[in-house]
Formats: sequence, C-alpha cells, structure tokens
Amino acid sequence: EAEVAQSPRYKITEKSQAVAFWCDPISGHATLYWYRQILGQGPELLVQFQDESVVDDSQLPKDRFSAERLKGVDSTLKIQPAELGDSAMYLCASSRGQGGFDTEAFFGQGTRLTVV
Amino acid sequence: AQSVAQPEDQVNVAEGNPLTVKCTYSVSGNPYLFWYVQYPNRGLQFLLKYITGDNLVKGSYGFEAEFNKSQTSFHLKKPSALVSDSALYFCAVRDPYGNNRLAFGKGNQVVVIP
Repeated sequence: EAEVAQSPRYKITEKSQAVAFWCDPISGHATLYWYRQILGQGPELLVQFQDESVVDDSQLPKDRFSAERLKGVDSTLKIQPAELGDSAMYLCASSRGQGGFDTEAFFGQGTRLTVV
Repeated sequence: AQSVAQPEDQVNVAEGNPLTVKCTYSVSGNPYLFWYVQYPNRGLQFLLKYITGDNLVKGSYGFEAEFNKSQTSFHLKKPSALVSDSALYFCAVRDPYGNNRLAFGKGNQVVVIP
C-alpha cells in the first residue's frame, strides 16, 4: 500500500537554529499539504501545493517558514530560526488528481519537532 | 470560512457498547465531510467521507457516519466498540464554494474500557 513518507520522525533542535523536514507524497498525487499539529489540537494547514505551485500559504508564518516543491514531487518545509513555540507535530499529506473537494488526503507519520 | 466543532474532549465507552463521536460543521454551501483517526505519534488515517447521496456513509473498521443537513452534523458511529478503537478522532470539512482548505476540528479522545 502506497504511503506518504516523511523524515525525520523526530527532531530536537535548539532555539534560533534552522530545521528542515522532507516529504515524499504518494506517487501521482498532485496536491501536497503541510500541516502543523500542536498537542491537544487539530491539524492546521500551513501550505498547500498543486504540482509545484503554492495555492494556499495564508497561514504560513513567512518570516521564518518556507516551503518548496521544486519538481512537483517531494517537498521540503524549513524553519529558520526555530522558536520554542514551533514545537509541534508537522504532518505532510497528499491527495490525487487536482485535489478536488471530494478527494481525501492521505497523511504521513509526521515529524515531531522539539525546540529547546 | 468553513469550520467544525467537536464538543466533547473525551468519550468513554465500555467495550461492546455503541460508540458515537459528535461533529457539527459550518460552511456556506453543501459540505464535503471527512473523519480521520490518529493513534499516538502517528499521522492521520482516513476513515470515511460524505460528498453527496445517502446520508449514512460506511467506512473502514466498521465505522459509519450520518450526515444531517438540518442539524449541520456528521456524527461518527460504531455499533460495538473495541479496545483497539481507543484513539484520537478528527472531523474535517471542505467548502466546495470556498477555498480547497481541509479544516479540522480539535479532535475527540476515545477511550474504550475493557
């Protein structure tokens, strides 16, 4: 069964350092999402790609966060500099086709970030 | 903007009893609704979705959900709960007349007591 791959699974970084997460969506999935999930809350969308283009980054803190999906396949989410409040689970998801409203998203196992 | 509410923080149920996890939604038009389950330190797993048609939707692991337009609800149900159903459950909604954002509720912790 195809899965969304994420790495690393766990990351501990010091405040003010840079950190990066990688995601490889299910093959053929054109839409890719990055979500942030703070403990005890539901996932919050950070950025959504359609192929290599950003279609929604309205909730991405652009002063410190960046995301790219250069060839429309895998994606990287970067935080620089990391802050204590960035400690959370970062989830990547993908959906098939053009990410229509009726298509479900498939999630990776996530990267648990701890900023110390 | 679309949103969902999951009013209960935790749902406790005895093994073998019916399980219900509540969800209400708010969108400008007809909603597309989803349920996901999350086990500790794992990503979300898709359970089922309502797009159109029959108000009773059947999904994975014996779960089903009932769409009620007049009450703007999409409650998740299982006739007989298992201990392995203990997990975090999320309701989510897309607004087909708005952006394509999948908005999640805060989640409900389900505890099935042996």
